[in-house]
Amino acid sequence: SAVISQKPSRDICQRGTSLTIQCQVDSQVTMMFWYRQQPGQSLTLIATANQGSEATYESGFVIDKFPISRPNLTFSTLTVSNMSPEDSSIYLCSAMGSEGYYGYTFGSGTRLTVV
Amino acid sequence: AQTVTQSQPEMSVQEAETVTLSCTYDTSESNYYLFWYKQPPSRQMILVIRQEAYKQQNATENRFSVNFQKAAKSFSLKISDSQLGDTAMYFCAFRETSGSRLTFGEGTQLTVNP
Repeated sequence: SAVISQKPSRDICQRGTSLTIQCQVDSQVTMMFWYRQQPGQSLTLIATANQGSEATYESGFVIDKFPISRPNLTFSTLTVSNMSPEDSSIYLCSAMGSEGYYGYTFGSGTRLTVV
Repeated sequence: AQTVTQSQPEMSVQEAETVTLSCTYDTSESNYYLFWYKQPPSRQMILVIRQEAYKQQNATENRFSVNFQKAAKSFSLKISDSQLGDTAMYFCAFRETSGSRLTFGEGTQLTVNP
C-alpha cells in the first residue's frame, strides 16, 4: 500500500497566522482526504481533495478557512487560515488508491497548537 | 446517512488474554466495507482488519478476527493473546461500495496490562 509523508509533525502558531500542512504520497492515488482529530476523539472529515478540481468540503468546513490544493496525484496541502486557539487539533491526511478498500493509508498527523 | 457506534469508550485486558471490542453501524446499503483501525500514541492510523459485506466468512488476520453479523449490523473485533503493543485507540469504520469516504466510530481506548 501507499506510504504518506506528512509535514510538519507538530507546530505552535500565533493566532491570526496561517499554517500549511503537506502530504506527499509515494505512488499515485485517486483520492486524498483531510481529517481533524481532537485528542482522544474520533476523526472528522474536513474535505476530499480532488486532482484538477476544487476540494469537496463537509458541512461546517469552508474553503476560506481550510483551502486545499491537489496539484497532482501524489501531493496535497491543507492550509489552516487565520488561526484561533479553537483550531488547535491534530490534522491527518489520507489517501485511497485504485483499489479503494485496500488502499486507505494515513499520514502520521500534524499536531497544531495555536497560542 | 451512515453512522458507526462504538459503545465502549475504554477497555482493559491482561496480557495474553482475549478481548472483544464492539461496533454497530446503521446503513440502508447492502454492499459495503467495514474496517478496524488502530491508532497508538504515535498517531499513526494502522489498518488492522477489513471485511466485505458480501462475504459471509469472518475475516482473520493472525491474532485479530471479526464477528460480522450483517443482519444485526454488528462488527466486533476479537484480539487473542493480547500483547502490550496492542495498547491503542481502536476505530471501527464503514465505507459504501459506491463511495469513497470513511465514516468512523467514536473509538475504544484499549489498554493491555502486564
